[in-house]
Amino acid sequence: KAGVTQTPRYLIKTRGQQVTLSCSPISGHRSVSWYQQTPGQGLQFLFEYFSETQRNKGNFPGRFSGRQFSNSRSEMNVSTLELGDSALYLCASSLQGADYGYTFGSGTRLTVV
Amino acid sequence: DQQVKQNSPSLSVQEGRISILNCDYTNSMFDYFLWYKKYPAEGPTFLISISSIKDKNEDGRFTVFLNKSAKHLSLHIVPSQPGDSAVYFCAATGGGGNLIFGKGTKLSVKP
Repeated sequence: KAGVTQTPRYLIKTRGQQVTLSCSPISGHRSVSWYQQTPGQGLQFLFEYFSETQRNKGNFPGRFSGRQFSNSRSEMNVSTLELGDSALYLCASSLQGADYGYTFGSGTRLTVV
Repeated sequence: DQQVKQNSPSLSVQEGRISILNCDYTNSMFDYFLWYKKYPAEGPTFLISISSIKDKNEDGRFTVFLNKSAKHLSLHIVPSQPGDSAVYFCAATGGGGNLIFGKGTKLSVKP
């Protein structure tokens, strides 16, 4: 079966711009989570969506937002980009949530210049 | 405040020997623990997990041990193979729908 698909794979944006990242989960998976990976902080949880509702949120500023559609596909948006937002953004999907084990996509590498 | 800690940033072992990766946690509400492996430019791949009601879980060459009183878990890989060279992340959850990750340990298995 197809895995978690993230688009685009690479992105370069300028400070102050906004960006939208896309994630298509494994078919049948209703939980989608987003993580940010940076060399200094490791993998940090952004938010989780389940059946179109945000169920959990990490400690990120309001510039980071997301949504989930009825087909479980999810988007993440970052507004007013800062240099520190440069990171690998990973999407993960699961049947129900963390206890069922997440399958990760390959990520979107965002570079802010 | 790091709730999940992997104190060894790197580990090097000889092919065929045992690799032991360690992880400590501080939150006693965590009830499920997972190990992921990550290659560069790829997302983490799930390896093995353990529930807090168990103290050991085995899957082929991979065994995870959980010591709840010490808030410590470890991943044993026996025998280690060069293809196991990757960054290994320990993660924990308390049922809140999110995983708390350690910062990872880079394992290098030398032929």
